[in-house]
Amino acid sequence: EMQLLESGGGLVQPGGSLRLSCAASGFTFRSHAMSWVRLAPGKGLEWVSSISGSGGNTYYADSVKGRFTISRDNSKDTLYLQMNSLRGDDTAIYYCAKGFPLRVAGFDYWGQGTLVTVSS
Amino acid sequence: DVVMTQSPLSLPVTLGQPASISCRSSQSLLYSDGDTYLNWFHQRPGQSPRRLIYNVSNRDSGVPDRFSGSGSGTDFTLKISRVEAEDVGVYYCMQGTHWPLTFGGGTKVEIK
Repeated sequence: EMQLLESGGGLVQPGGSLRLSCAASGFTFRSHAMSWVRLAPGKGLEWVSSISGSGGNTYYADSVKGRFTISRDNSKDTLYLQMNSLRGDDTAIYYCAKGFPLRVAGFDYWGQGTLVTVSS
Repeated sequence: DVVMTQSPLSLPVTLGQPASISCRSSQSLLYSDGDTYLNWFHQRPGQSPRRLIYNVSNRDSGVPDRFSGSGSGTDFTLKISRVEAEDVGVYYCMQGTHWPLTFGGGTKVEIK
């Protein structure tokens, strides 16, 4: 059974850092691009970042570019999101999702999410 | 960025009755390869999103056939033929034709 399990969320002060992880199982992780999508309170879903299967190509929304870094360890079947210079509007549930559906199918599997709260 | 506009924002429905959600894009979602990359997702309260439909009208495995997607160009529709209690939650459309990926604001479906 395919599973995605996020961890690493929590409460952090503005300007702080946090690293999220997403452990994958049940599919050939290295063969698939992976993404992070977030859901802020009272708002809709927002694509945050994606990475190719090899890790050689990364993509970011303008709202996080220069502050967040996506990476992956295919030997551990794990996806990461390093979040620096966090702001209040980064408060959200962060989901990892399988795929990067730019002109292909994707986002067919999602994790349960991890909550990030940025507040002093 | 392509703006995805959903309507209505809130949709009270009666069990067993049909429901329809509209999604309009600010640019055509038809790509040069002939495909249209429009997806529909459903998020129940307290759960993660689930993809229902990809490429306008292709239902995902396990999705009941009461769900159907249609449309072309800039106008798309998700229809539920007979609403069941488990269909409550927020529905999102998402385009994958243009960079960056963008979602609609969501339509909240609730039972009357």
